[in-house]
Amino acid sequence: QSALTQPASVSGSPGQSITISCTGTSSDVGKYNLVSWYQQHPGKAPKLMIYEDNKRPSGISDRFSGSKSANTASLTISGLQTEDEADYYCCSYAGSNTYVLFGGGTKLTVL
Amino acid sequence: QLQLQESGPGLVKPSETLSLTCTVSGGSIDSHMYYWGWIRQPPGKGLEWIATIYYTGNTYYNPSLESRVTISVRTSRNLFSLRVNSVTAADTAMYYCARLNRMPGNRVGATEYWGQGMLVTVSS
Repeated sequence: QSALTQPASVSGSPGQSITISCTGTSSDVGKYNLVSWYQQHPGKAPKLMIYEDNKRPSGISDRFSGSKSANTASLTISGLQTEDEADYYCCSYAGSNTYVLFGGGTKLTVL
Repeated sequence: QLQLQESGPGLVKPSETLSLTCTVSGGSIDSHMYYWGWIRQPPGKGLEWIATIYYTGNTYYNPSLESRVTISVRTSRNLFSLRVNSVTAADTAMYYCARLNRMPGNRVGATEYWGQGMLVTVSS
């Protein structure tokens, strides 16, 4: 099964909002409420930002929000800050044959 | 605070077997709430899920890697391991061990805890 589809890059200015999309199929993103989003700074392990489509772990800023429509999940970051510049990955449960799929990753540049 | 630590050789020769261990501290591996797994990231590329295991020994594999991969758990030592057979340069990557949430219906949820990662290079 193919990886989830994300844009290779997005950019925004400090204070602006951006949205990163993650497109799957009716067998993964569209079927289960199990999309998660990860932030990864260079040389660091990924960090969980959103789980179960739209829930934030404790300690994650409310500037980060998740949503989903049909087979596409989205991560929105509002009030962009320079420290938000990182790679972002989506991930979804994909059923009992494929199990886990990641997106290809999106590089966020804060101009 | 839960911590995961990868260990193993950082250099493996082509056609040989890559073996990594993840030692879990600050929490018990035999929890019904979690799976334990491996995720890798080739240099400059994205994340790829490799395999997941439940403390009872139930295993789940990426179909594209299943023929070469084995994941195992040792609850008595609070650790789990990964073996990848017949490695090639394409297996060169940062290997992360992680704790994944176990959801109703044995579904796999989010990964909240990650190890720091271990770079494994396949080269002669």
